[in-house]
Amino acid sequence: GENVEQHPSTLSVQEGDSAVIKCTYSDSASNYFPWYKQELGKRPQLIIDIRSNVGEKKDQRIAVTLNKTAKHFSLHITETQPEDSAVYFCAARDSSYKLIFGSGTRLLVRP
Amino acid sequence: GAVVSQHPSRVICKSGTSVKIECRSLDFQATTMFWYRQFPKQSLMLMATSNEGSKATYEQGVEKDKFLINHASLTLSTLTVTSAHPEDSSFYICSARVGGALTDTQYFGPGTRLTVL
Repeated sequence: GENVEQHPSTLSVQEGDSAVIKCTYSDSASNYFPWYKQELGKRPQLIIDIRSNVGEKKDQRIAVTLNKTAKHFSLHITETQPEDSAVYFCAARDSSYKLIFGSGTRLLVRP
Repeated sequence: GAVVSQHPSRVICKSGTSVKIECRSLDFQATTMFWYRQFPKQSLMLMATSNEGSKATYEQGVEKDKFLINHASLTLSTLTVTSAHPEDSSFYICSARVGGALTDTQYFGPGTRLTVL
C-alpha cells in the first residue's frame, strides 16, 4: 500500500522567512496530493492540493511542487506570519480514494 | 464551500458503554466518507471507508465489531464505538469526499474527542 514520509517533523522560522516541507510517497499510482493545516484541537483544513497532471500550483503565499518521477512533493510558504504556526500534513491519495497522511510538521513562526 | 459537521464535539463515558458519533455533509451529498482517529501529537490514521448503502471497508488492524460504521444516507455516516475502554480515548475525525474522479477532494469534520473513564 501507499506510504508517505514527511520532513521535517518540526520547523522554526523567523517571521517573513520562507518555510519548506517535503514529502515522499511510494505508490506511483497515487494521483492527488493535498496539504492540510491543523491547529490544536481543530479539524484539518485543506490549504492547497495538486494533481499528478501538473508540476506546480500556487495560491498567494503558498505553493506546492510535484515531481512524479522522484515521487516527492513539497509545500512552500513565503513571507511567513505568526498565524501560519500550526501542524501541516501532506497526504497522497491512492487508487481507492483513500488519503494516506504523512507524520506531520509542526511549524513555528517566531515574531 | 463543502461543510462537514460532527456530533458530539466531545464525549466522556464510562468503560463498557457504547458511544455513537455522527458525521454529516451539510451542503452536499457524499457517497463516500472516511473515519480517522488521531492520538495527541500524531498523524491521522484511517480507520475505515464508509460507502452509502454498503458495508464499510476497514483498514488492517481495525476491529469492525468494535467500531461499527453505518452510512444510511448520502449525508450521514455514524461511527459507534462499542464497549469502549480507556485505550479507545482519542480524537475521531470524519471526512467526506466531494467531486468527481478527476476533481474530488476531502473535507473534514471538526472532530469528536472521546474520553473513556
